[in-house]
Amino acid sequence: KAGVTQTPRYLIKTRGQQVTLSCSPISGHRSVSWYQQTPGQGLQFLFEYFSETQRNKGNFPGRFSGRQFSNSRSEMNVSTLELGDSALYLCASSLIGTGEDTQYFGPGTRLTVL
Amino acid sequence: AQSVTQLGSHVSVSEGALVLLRCNYSSSVPPYLFWYVQYPNQGLQLLLKYTTGATLVKGINGFEAEFKKSETSFHLTKPSAHMSDAAEYFCAVSPRFGNEKLTFGTGTRLTIIP
Repeated sequence: KAGVTQTPRYLIKTRGQQVTLSCSPISGHRSVSWYQQTPGQGLQFLFEYFSETQRNKGNFPGRFSGRQFSNSRSEMNVSTLELGDSALYLCASSLIGTGEDTQYFGPGTRLTVL
Repeated sequence: AQSVTQLGSHVSVSEGALVLLRCNYSSSVPPYLFWYVQYPNQGLQLLLKYTTGATLVKGINGFEAEFKKSETSFHLTKPSAHMSDAAEYFCAVSPRFGNEKLTFGTGTRLTIIP
C-alpha cells in the first residue's frame, strides 16, 4: 500500500498570504489528523477529520482550518499567515482514529513564512 | 489532561552500546503508549506501541519498550546501537477514554558515536 502523501513538500509564502496544504491518506483509512511541528513548541495537534467531519480540534486560532473529502483526502488552510506559522506540517492517517489506532505519518510540508 | 515527559533532549551513545531513552506519562488512567522515530526531513515512523497485554513490547529495528504502571514509564531500549539509529525519538500517549488525540513528548535526539 502507498503511504501517506503530502503536497507540496516545501512552500514559501509571505506574511498575510494564505496557504492550502494537501494530504492523501493510506487507502482505506478514514481518519486524518494534522500536526504542527516547530523547534519551540514541538509537535502539536491541529485537528482531526473523520468521514468529512471535524471530530477533534487542538488549541489553534481560527486562521487554521481544514476539510476532508469523500475519498478521505484532506486539506488544511492557513489564512493571514504570520511569521510564527513557519513550521513542518504533518498529516497522519489511521483506520478509524481511535486512541489505540496507529497513526501513519506523511513526510510533511515545510512552510516558510517571510 | 494527559502529558508526557522525555528526560534528556540529547543522548549520545557509542556504536554497539545500550540505548536507553526515557519516557514518563502523567494520566489518571494508563494511556495507550507509542514511540515514534523521525529521521531528518522525514515524517514520523512508528517504532512500537503498547495497548494492552504483555508489558514488554518489541518493535522494529531491534527496539523494545516496557510499560511500568507503578513508575508511569515507557522507556525505549536497544541492546546495541547502530549508526543508522541516529535520529529524533518521540514518545506519545493517547487516552483510553475521551477524545484527546496523540500528545507528544518534546523528543530526544540520539547521536551515535563511531
